[in-house]
Amino acid sequence: DQQVKQNSPSLSVQEGRISILNCDYTNSMFDYFLWYKKYPAEGPTFLISISSIKDKNEDGRFTVFLNKSAKHLSLHIVPSQPGDSAVYFCAASVLHSGAGSYQLTFGKGTKLSVIP
Amino acid sequence: DTGVSQDPRHKITKRGQNVTFRCDPISEHNRLYWYRQTLGQGPEFLTYFQNEAQLEKSRLLSDRFSAERPKGSFSTLEIQRTEQGDSAMYLCASSLAVGAQPQHFGDGTRLSIL
Repeated sequence: DQQVKQNSPSLSVQEGRISILNCDYTNSMFDYFLWYKKYPAEGPTFLISISSIKDKNEDGRFTVFLNKSAKHLSLHIVPSQPGDSAVYFCAASVLHSGAGSYQLTFGKGTKLSVIP
Repeated sequence: DTGVSQDPRHKITKRGQNVTFRCDPISEHNRLYWYRQTLGQGPEFLTYFQNEAQLEKSRLLSDRFSAERPKGSFSTLEIQRTEQGDSAMYLCASSLAVGAQPQHFGDGTRLSIL
């Protein structure tokens, strides 16, 4: 049972345009969500996160939106740059249940290609 | 700020051999995690330490796997009697132990079983 789903394996966007990456989750206990970027032969790099008490978090060109009722989050990159070309992973965790491990559950990733 | 360091970066071994990987977390991070990633998948949680205590283990962590963090600093992950299915990227991550903190990953150890 995949609890975090990224239904688009790939996405191509023109340089300067907006990239929108989507993520759906099924576990209503998730209360902390993160996006990571991964280049080949490197580990995932943390980009941005959002707590379930918020519906938007912004950091420079990156904005994450959370829709709890739809169990959906999205990452917007504006404007997209060729250096943004990478695999993007959505991840979620349960922070506040008292269960304690803070383990991340990842989606399978979306490969973003930004075309110059 | 030194990031998470993993050693070795690559390991090739024959089926049935034992292998050990090392992870050095970011120095002030109390929490340390191990994940495994296979082709086309996201990382999957294996185990978690807070300081030297191993607090959770995934069902993915069979009895051939053991992890330690003896002094609450670096950690080792050992796989005994390796099998073909153990071929994967093994990722280590660390985080602060205060509130909602992101995990920061190393570049991983790629294990190939011949």
